This record gives sequence, C-alpha cells and structure tokens, in this order.
Amino acid sequence: EPEVTQTPSHQVTQMGQEVILRCVPISNHLYFYWYRQILGQKVEFLVSFYNNEISEKSEIFDDQFSVERPDGSNFTLKIRSTKLEDSAMYFCASSEGRAPYEQYFGPGTRLTVT
Amino acid sequence: ELKVEQNPLFLSMQEGKNYTIYCNYSTTSDRLYWYRQDPGKSLESLFVLLSNGAVKQEGRLMASLDTKARLSTLHITAAVHDLSATYFCAVLNTGNQFYFGTGTSLTVIP
Repeated sequence: EPEVTQTPSHQVTQMGQEVILRCVPISNHLYFYWYRQILGQKVEFLVSFYNNEISEKSEIFDDQFSVERPDGSNFTLKIRSTKLEDSAMYFCASSEGRAPYEQYFGPGTRLTVT
Repeated sequence: ELKVEQNPLFLSMQEGKNYTIYCNYSTTSDRLYWYRQDPGKSLESLFVLLSNGAVKQEGRLMASLDTKARLSTLHITAAVHDLSATYFCAVLNTGNQFYFGTGTSLTVIP
C-alpha cells in the first residue's frame, strides 16, 4: 500500500542552525501538508502546498519557514534559523485533492533543537 | 481562530465498557475528521464526517456529527485493550485549514 515517507526520523540541531526535513508524498497525490506536534500537545497545521505554491498557511508558518518541491517526488520543509521552541514532531501529509479528501500522514520527523 | 476542544483529555476504562469522547468546535463547519495516534507513531485516519447527522461506524468505534450543536462524538463500544491510543478530532475551516483538538488519551484496562 502506498505510504508517505519522511527522513530523517530524528534530527538534532543547534539553535540558529538551518534544518531541512524531507517528505516523499504518495505518488499520485497533488496536495501536500506540513504539521507539527509539540510533545504532549495537539497537532498544529503549518502549511499546505499545491501546484508548486503555498495554498494555505497558519500563523505559525512565519518567515523562518519555507517549503519546496525540488523535484517530482520530494517535498521539503526548511527552518532557516532554528529556535528551542521549534523542537517538535513534524508530520508531512498528502492527499489526492483538496479537503475533504483524506490526508495520509507520514511517520514524522522528531526535531530536537539544543 | 477556530477552537476545537475535546473531553475528556484522559480516559481510563475497563475492557468491555462503553464510553463517549466529545469534540466541540467554535465556528461553523461541516467537515470533521477523527484520527488515532499510537505513542510515538503517526496519525491514522478513522472517520471523515461531511454533513450534519453523519454517522460512521468501524468495528467498536462509531462517530457522529451534529453541525448545529458544533459537536462530534466518538463512541466506544465494549472497549478492548487494542483501542488504547490518543484520539484526535480535527475540524476543517472555510480556509481549508485543519484545526486539531487537544486529544483524548484512552487507556483500556484488562
């Protein structure tokens, strides 16, 4: 069964460093998403992406964040200068179409900023 | 901002018992989703509810949506240990953004 994959599973970085989190969505999906979940808290929407541009973004998704689809398969989230409060689990998701199409989530990348 | 509240936050129940998790949200929406998350794992889609009065059932779980009351319920029938997980509801707003609830951590005790 097709699935969303994410790499790395765990990333440790120092405050101020740039990180890139990678996702490979399901191949025939057209919409891509990033969410984050701070430990023990709810899942928060960051951004959705369609047709090579941002479709929607939340207040959390400020200038420190960017997304890109550098090739036909990868979807990346870049954090330019990480802060301690960026430590969280980051989930990528993809869907065939705009909601209410079901979103399929990847296993997540745990980002730890020290 | 759309607010989504779940209760209870923590639920410990014995095997074989029934219980209901509630999801209230603050603005009009007719698109509600339920997800399950096991510890350290990703989110698994359980139900998609897209209209007032929608009811869906899968095994021991049944979800319903009342858009007028801005309320969704997830009913657990005859709980078994395998249902232990955290359950999230998520509401889609008109801007196509998901807002997740606080989650309900369910522990089923043998």
